[in-house]
Amino acid sequence: AQTVTQSQPEMSVQEAETVTLSCTYDTSESDYYLFWYKQPPSRQMILVIRQEAYKQQNATENRFSVNFQKAAKSFSLKISDSQLGDAAMYFCAYRPPPSGGGADGLTFGKGTHLIIQP
Amino acid sequence: NAGVTQTPKFRILKIGQSMTLQCTQDMNHNYMYWYRQDPGMGLKLIYYSVGAGITDKGEVPNGYNVSRSTTEDFPLRLELAAPSQTSVYFCASRPDGNTEAFFGQGTRLTVV
Repeated sequence: AQTVTQSQPEMSVQEAETVTLSCTYDTSESDYYLFWYKQPPSRQMILVIRQEAYKQQNATENRFSVNFQKAAKSFSLKISDSQLGDAAMYFCAYRPPPSGGGADGLTFGKGTHLIIQP
Repeated sequence: NAGVTQTPKFRILKIGQSMTLQCTQDMNHNYMYWYRQDPGMGLKLIYYSVGAGITDKGEVPNGYNVSRSTTEDFPLRLELAAPSQTSVYFCASRPDGNTEAFFGQGTRLTVV
């Protein structure tokens, strides 16, 4: 079974600074999908960024970028120019390829609580 | 566009009671999912469906049942509620292809 590990229960960063959230995962698949989701106090799950494992280029979405290291099975999220609205729980998630065995659906890490200091 | 709609948003159940959590999506997505989120944890997959009439177990299916008679609806049934089922439940859907999942707002369920 796949596992996703987020080793930082909580991170704090000054507004306008840069912060990196860590995520490692375990899988025997060569093709899969990785995601970062944001969950503010409203409970809504919001997709931040997505990475396909077959793509070597790291995904970027405005102030959010990832460092995808396939051999190391590492998928960190970098938030640049942190804003107060970035405060939330951040979850790393893995999804297997459609043709792979096992259940379809996401496997989540336990999350990192990001605090933005004004 | 309503997206994924879950009802109710909150519910308190007594031990041994039954209830159905409703989930409806208006995006014509084939794939639908139920997750639960316990305090301080990530979401865990309960059941999923790849299309009408097809359902399968996820990581934590015990104590739950699902059905998928239409593309739009994917209800989750709790037959004999237990305190261990106290959690926040999320329904999600996605279209075919390797795209993102869209989540509902969640249902907070307390079993006392």
